[in-house]
Amino acid sequence: DIQLTQSPASLSASIGDRVTMTCRASETIRDFLNWYQHKSGKGPKLLIFGASNLQSGVPSRFSGDQSGRNFTLTINNVQPEDVATYFCQRGWTFGQGTKVDLK
Amino acid sequence: EAQLVESGGGLVQRGGSLRLSCAATGFSFSSYWMTWVRQAPGKGLEWVANIEEDGSAKYYADSVKGRFTISRDNDKKFLYLHMNSLRAEDTAIYYCAKVAMAGGYNWFVPWGQGTMVIVSS
Repeated sequence: DIQLTQSPASLSASIGDRVTMTCRASETIRDFLNWYQHKSGKGPKLLIFGASNLQSGVPSRFSGDQSGRNFTLTINNVQPEDVATYFCQRGWTFGQGTKVDLK
Repeated sequence: EAQLVESGGGLVQRGGSLRLSCAATGFSFSSYWMTWVRQAPGKGLEWVANIEEDGSAKYYADSVKGRFTISRDNDKKFLYLHMNSLRAEDTAIYYCAKVAMAGGYNWFVPWGQGTMVIVSS
């Protein structure tokens, strides 16, 4: 089974910062990777599908990229509402998440 | 707007049973695979089960195979998860989600808000 390894496990950002988190696949998965935002008490929300396609309604400060088996989610100009855990997903497998909070 | 609302969670004793429901609105329910995903306290997301559009095929994680049954009622637009022989490790928030598929891959949108299941020993 393909494994997805996310890093870092957590990060702290200031308002307006640019942050990047990584999801590394254990084998080549083309661009079949998606990113979700999960806030406490709510269901996860799809942000990016197909590695770099922004889901409708998601702010443009979120972006996804891919380099081989490494996938990145970047948040430009971090806002208070971006405090959440971010998960990557491929098939029926999820990464273990990166928790983003504010300094 | 597509929406999903789960219900049926609660406190149950080890070895007991529970049925979760997921009400779907705002999309053609019978045209989509549906899935259950759970999150145990302090853990990441874990896929639990899938069901194809007409309910003819069902798939389960090894951790729940033989104990959980996924089903759906396309007329009522409901998804269900029947959970038997519950264990402490089944304690989690359970989410239902619509499965979108294209070009050989899948993603989940939308998700419900989740329903909490606590299995006491």
